[in-house]
Amino acid sequence: RKEVEQDPGPFNVPEGATVAFNCTYSNSASQSFFWYRQDCRKEPKLLMSVYSSGNEDGRFTAQLNRASQYISLLIRDSKLSDSATYLCVVNRGSSASKIIFGSGTRLSIRP
Amino acid sequence: NAGVTQTPKFQVLKTGQSMTLQCAQDMNHEYMSWYRQDPGMGLRLIHYSVGAGITDQGEVPNGYNVSRSTTEDFPLRLLSAAPSQTSVYFCASRTADPLSYNEQFFGPGTRLTVL
Repeated sequence: RKEVEQDPGPFNVPEGATVAFNCTYSNSASQSFFWYRQDCRKEPKLLMSVYSSGNEDGRFTAQLNRASQYISLLIRDSKLSDSATYLCVVNRGSSASKIIFGSGTRLSIRP
Repeated sequence: NAGVTQTPKFQVLKTGQSMTLQCAQDMNHEYMSWYRQDPGMGLRLIHYSVGAGITDQGEVPNGYNVSRSTTEDFPLRLLSAAPSQTSVYFCASRTADPLSYNEQFFGPGTRLTVL
């Protein structure tokens, strides 16, 4: 079983829809959580951090549930430009060896 | 600032050849890492460095060497290329500042094919 698991998708939704992804992690020592965005054939870029209290950045909302060991990303009023792969990242410490990437969820927004 | 740069963007090798993937960053970041990305596997850590002269192995180090002689540069050397090393390679850097070290900055990647 992978330490960080994501539904690979693809999620194919119409423009303007709301879409949500989950990511589960197995190591309870995980300390911090992030969502990265990766456009096709490009490098990953940080989208947002995920805090215990939940956090929002415009149309994007991230939630953390430590008891059930999952994080979520909600995208409201989706745009064509939201089409990308979303990577869940879990840190168990400051060392690079403790940063674990999920394999990503692919999102495709159709007009 | 150029951020993290990688060369080459594309490379085709024959089995047994060696080559070096170049990575440089101009953000004065202490931490640098090399990852490979394969379909369905996510990013896997090959080697990493916490500063000049200090490197360590990640999850999949076999067949690769690194060195860190300067803060800016972190080259990845393939010793004897194998088809299993066909992948996209990303270099990343981040600050050691605990207030902001969680964000990694990635280079544009090198697409490597080994025949």
